[in-house]
Amino acid sequence: TQLLEQSPQFLSIQEGENLTVYCNSSSVFSSLQWYRQEPGEGPVLLVTVVTGGEVKKLKRLTFQFGDARKDSSLHITAAQPGDTGLYLCAGTPGDEKLTFGTGTRLTIIP
Amino acid sequence: GAGVSQSPSNKVTEKGKDVELRCDPISGHTALYWYRQRLGQGLEFLIYFQGNSAPDKSGLPSDRFSAERTGESVSTLTIQRTQQEDSAVYLCASSSLSNTGELFFGEGSRLTVL
Repeated sequence: TQLLEQSPQFLSIQEGENLTVYCNSSSVFSSLQWYRQEPGEGPVLLVTVVTGGEVKKLKRLTFQFGDARKDSSLHITAAQPGDTGLYLCAGTPGDEKLTFGTGTRLTIIP
Repeated sequence: GAGVSQSPSNKVTEKGKDVELRCDPISGHTALYWYRQRLGQGLEFLIYFQGNSAPDKSGLPSDRFSAERTGESVSTLTIQRTQQEDSAVYLCASSSLSNTGELFFGEGSRLTVL
């Protein structure tokens, strides 16, 4: 059983469209991180959310942490081909190790 | 170097051979993780080091896999008697905090077992 479930698993959309990907769990997290991984590289941290209900914006990317700190979403506005990659959420339930979600593979079609 | 360094970047080996993968974390980072990523898949946790000790080895898939870390620095992941299903990218990451900080990843070691 995966602690962090991401949806959708795959998403392919046209350049300029908007999209939202989700990261859900039944566990409470003290914080959640979002990473993006491009082909041939390791994942790179995009943002960390720490407060329930928190919203963080990074240019066209908007990250939200659920009020109960069990879920998070990533919304991309006007997607660009450079947004293509594998998006991973990660969190630490309690005092355990950092756990990664199942991932969303995003493809933006020019 | 400033980032996490992994070697070799690519390794092709024959089934049954042993392989050793190396990770040089960012200097001063106490936490070190190993993950496996099969083609088109997410990250599969293998092992976590805090300093030189490994409080969590739960992800190692079999007793053919082992890892060690010395001097709170370099770590090696050893796979004995490799099998074709071991083919994957092995990613190493380090963090300055125990288990909650940002992870900095290397570019991975791509292992192909023929």
